[in-house]
Parts: sequence; structure tokens; C-alpha cells
Amino acid sequence: EVQLLESGGGLVQPGGSLRLSCAASGFTFRTYGMSWVRQAPGKGLEWVSAISGSGGDAYYADSVKGRFTISRDNSKNTLYVQMNSLRAEDTAVYYCAKANKRGDIYYYYMDVWGKGTTVTVSS
Amino acid sequence: DIVMTQSPDSLAVSLGERATVNCKSSQSVLYRSNNKNYLAWYQQKPGQPPKLLVYWASTRESGVPDRFSGSGSGTDFTLTISSLQAEDVAVYYCQQYFTTPFTFGPGTKVDIK
Repeated sequence: EVQLLESGGGLVQPGGSLRLSCAASGFTFRTYGMSWVRQAPGKGLEWVSAISGSGGDAYYADSVKGRFTISRDNSKNTLYVQMNSLRAEDTAVYYCAKANKRGDIYYYYMDVWGKGTTVTVSS
Repeated sequence: DIVMTQSPDSLAVSLGERATVNCKSSQSVLYRSNNKNYLAWYQQKPGQPPKLLVYWASTRESGVPDRFSGSGSGTDFTLTISSLQAEDVAVYYCQQYFTTPFTFGPGTKVDIK
């Protein structure tokens, strides 16, 4: 069964840092691009970041560029996002999601989602 | 950035009736070299992660009931639930994956009348 399990969420003060992890199983992790998507309380979905299967290409929303860093360890089947200089507006449930690939091209529609991990930025 | 808008914000439909959700992109998401629209639809029920329903604007994901269908091209897209069931109560989002940032629409809440 294809599964994604996020961890690492919690309460952090403004200006603080947090690293989220997403453990993948049930598919050949290194083959697929991955994304982080977040959802603030009572709000819609916001795409945050994506990374190619090799990790060589990474993409960010403007709202997190320069503060968040996406990475992956294909030997551990794990996706990460390092979040620095956190702000109140980063408070959200963070989902990791699996993207798709046909041949050598990645397509970032997400067919598998984790249950999410909650990040709260507050003093 | 491509801005995605959806209409209506919410709708209530009787059981067994048709529900239609619209999505518009601020620029075309049709890639002419492969004639594909880079548009996906997701369903999110309360307390759950999103679920992929449709990709390439009209390709139904495996296991999704055939009462769900996607249509449209270029900048205008529609998700249709042909006969609304109780379990279809949810928020529906469109998303473009044509270019980064891969933006979502604001969502449309579908409820039972």
C-alpha cells in the first residue's frame, strides 16, 4: 500500500525553525517528484514547494522562498522541509504529497497524500 | 503567477441532482505540444487530506466513481457530479500544474439541499 507519513510538527515561536519529515512507503520513492502543500486553519490549500525525484530541481512558493528548503533522502525514502524564520502566517497543516512522472517528465498533480502534520507559530 | 478562481463559493444540491463547479485560470494551462490541459481536481472532506479526482482536466483517477467528470480547455474548466450522493459533501479544489507556483483555486463547498 502506498503511504506517506508526516512528522515533526509542533508549536514554535515566531522567528524559530522546524524540520518536517515525510516517510514514504509502497512505491519507488526516488522515481517521483514530491510536494509540500499546506492548509491554514479554516482556509484553502496552498502549494508550498516541490522537488524532483533526484532532488536536483526544487521549486518554492514566493511566500516561503528564502525561508524554507525542501530536500529528500532517497536512501531513506524520506522527504523533508526545513522551515526557518517562521511567521504566524505559516501556521497550518502541512501535507506531503506524491507527484507523477511519465518518461523523464514530472507532472505535479498529486495522487497520494499524507494525513498531515500541524505547525503552530505563536509566542 | 497563474491565479485560479472558482465559482460558486458554495452550492447546495438535492440528492441525485447534478452539481457543477467551475474553475478559471488567469492564463491558459493548455500545453500545445502535447495538447494537454495541466489541470487537476481534488475533493477534501472535513478532517481528511485532499483526494485526487481528475487530472489532465478530464482523466478520472482510478477508483473515482464515474459520476465525477471533468471538462474544459485553455482557461475554463468544469467539474460535474452527475448525481450527487451524500458522501460527495466536501470542498472541491482545482489546481494548475502547468507552471510554478502550482496554484490551487480557493475551493467550492458542495452540500446537500
